[in-house]
Amino acid sequence: GQNIDQPTEMTATEGAIVQINCTYQTSGFNGLFWYQQHAGEAPTFLSYNVLDGLEEKGGFSSFLSRSKGYSYLLLKELPMKDSASYLCVSMDSNYQLIWGAGTKLIIKP
Amino acid sequence: GAVVSQHPSWVICKSGTSVKIECRSLDFQATTMFWYRQFPKQSLMLMATSNEGSKATYEQGVEKDKFLINHASLTLSTLTVTSAHPEDSSFYICSARTPPHDYGYTFGSGTRLTVV
Repeated sequence: GQNIDQPTEMTATEGAIVQINCTYQTSGFNGLFWYQQHAGEAPTFLSYNVLDGLEEKGGFSSFLSRSKGYSYLLLKELPMKDSASYLCVSMDSNYQLIWGAGTKLIIKP
Repeated sequence: GAVVSQHPSWVICKSGTSVKIECRSLDFQATTMFWYRQFPKQSLMLMATSNEGSKATYEQGVEKDKFLINHASLTLSTLTVTSAHPEDSSFYICSARTPPHDYGYTFGSGTRLTVV
């Protein structure tokens, strides 16, 4: 079956670095997304990885290992406004999105 | 960038009534629109996929007669929740593939439906 696993909740300190891990199993693979979702709002796109390796963008990075079915999102210098849920989403061979339940990130001063 | 406008943002309706949610792609043509439902503290669940000019494809367990989807134009898709019940209260979100890349998705802002 198709499945996404990510931690339910994580806590970090403002200004710190946090890594959110995700493992996935899908029927075929056409890439992996990370989305940020604040409570009561729609998800917003953060990153897309389809090749192995690290993609760096400003305040965060996303990593993918296709052979391990593994990805992580690395958030740097966490501002308080980054308290949100982070959704790991895989795209299967039919371009269908398989959504993880999300990791609720709580940032404390 | 691409924008999907979703209305209304929130709606409260009485049990047994119907509610229509609209999603419009503002600066691109959305041949495919996805409709999701999200319950509190849960992930997005795909309800159906609509293609312009054809019938929507519903996911297993989603009642097509209850959740009517119309995608009559390349810029507008609607979801009508018919004979709504309190258990239909949820956050409904639409998304569209964003050209030129097939992997790009743009989400509407979501509709919070509360059935009383």
